[in-house]
Amino acid sequence: AQSVTQLGSHVSVSEGALVLLRCNYSSSVPPYLFWYVQYPNQGLQLLLKYTSAATLVKGINGFEAEFKKSETSFHLTKPSAHMSDAAEYFCAVSDGGGATNKLIFGTGTLLAVQP
Amino acid sequence: DTEVTQTPKHLVMGMTNKKSLKCEQHMGHRAMYWYKQKAKKPPELMFVYSYEKLSINESVPSRFSPECPNSSLLNLHLHALQPEDSALYLCASSQDPPTNLDTQYFGPGTRLTVL
Repeated sequence: AQSVTQLGSHVSVSEGALVLLRCNYSSSVPPYLFWYVQYPNQGLQLLLKYTSAATLVKGINGFEAEFKKSETSFHLTKPSAHMSDAAEYFCAVSDGGGATNKLIFGTGTLLAVQP
Repeated sequence: DTEVTQTPKHLVMGMTNKKSLKCEQHMGHRAMYWYKQKAKKPPELMFVYSYEKLSINESVPSRFSPECPNSSLLNLHLHALQPEDSALYLCASSQDPPTNLDTQYFGPGTRLTVL
């Protein structure tokens, strides 16, 4: 079974600082990986996804993630944090075997941005 | 238009009530999903519909009854719920047939409180 682990349930950065949210995956097959963001009292919005086309994936709002097979990682980064980035971030892996599309989510990382 | 709408936004119900949650999308997607999200937890998959047919039921109690009357609508009928069923219920949709590459688009959710 595929799974993802997010290290750090809470991350706090200063405005303008680098954002790094960690995600490691476990998969016996090439994984398809996603980062979603959830703002308070809202649904989930896709930031970016890895589908094996390129190891460095650029997403919305200045976020990007790099797939590293050797480290089984898919960490999310943003060079300069903005106050509006404060939210919950979920890493997810698709576990469907081609017949279904079942997302397995990590436990989430709550990002706080300090002024 | 990448919008999934859900009604109502908030719902309070007693344990003997019968209520329904509604989800709608007009993106031409033929896969639709129900997730349950408890506070400070990741979403957990409940049901998947593919071409209006139930394809995944994640061993959800029968007090939750999904229905997909057409390709744009997904309902979740609730009956005799327990206080522990209080959560944010998220609907999502994706292209069909679902593959591991597909993006799931989420609605804003219905915040359910069971008294």
